[in-house]
Amino acid sequence: SQQGEEDPQALSIQEGENATMNCSYKTSINNLQWYRQNSGRGLVHLILIRSNEREKHSGRLRVTLDTSKKSSSLLITASRAADTASYFCATHTYGGYTGKLIFGQGTTLQVKP
Amino acid sequence: DGGITQSPKYLFRKEGQNVTLSCEQNLNHDAMYWYRQDPGQGLRLIYYSQIVNDFQKGDIAEGYSVSREKKESFPLTVTSAQKNPTAFYLCASSTEGANGYTFGSGTRLTVV
Repeated sequence: SQQGEEDPQALSIQEGENATMNCSYKTSINNLQWYRQNSGRGLVHLILIRSNEREKHSGRLRVTLDTSKKSSSLLITASRAADTASYFCATHTYGGYTGKLIFGQGTTLQVKP
Repeated sequence: DGGITQSPKYLFRKEGQNVTLSCEQNLNHDAMYWYRQDPGQGLRLIYYSQIVNDFQKGDIAEGYSVSREKKESFPLTVTSAQKNPTAFYLCASSTEGANGYTFGSGTRLTVV
């Protein structure tokens, strides 16, 4: 079952611009995580935000979480061509096995030099 | 360096054949996972294991089997019962509490 839905599915911007990706989910969560995947490779963990947090920063990444709207956004500032990749949100939900993540469909980001 | 190693990188399967994908980690993580990714899609959970000698079915376990005889290893067998096995398979591991998964580099399986 897919919990997260990401928007947009694809995004194309020029180098130096900001990129914003959104993730919506359906059930209450413990935390929400963002991952990056370069073509044909594994995923790399970028950032985790807990349900009691509203905003988190890591370098050029800014993540927000609105639990009332069941949504999160990932902002990449001053994008670079090397940021070209697919980005996935993943939610960790209460109940059942504590370590299970459910991934969204992903946003494909292209940054043009 | 600590990490997860998946092998082989590419695998070809004939109709009716079972194949096994390897996943080894040296991160001392308790939990390990197998995901399937189809083109342009997200990840779907096949099996997961919290501890040695224990594993649970994920959302799409039919046609797959796993074992967890050692903490470091979580091999996935794609059986002949899996009718559409062509996909990209990703293995991951984590500490307790899902504070971020570490992923392997994946195995691309193709049926020929």
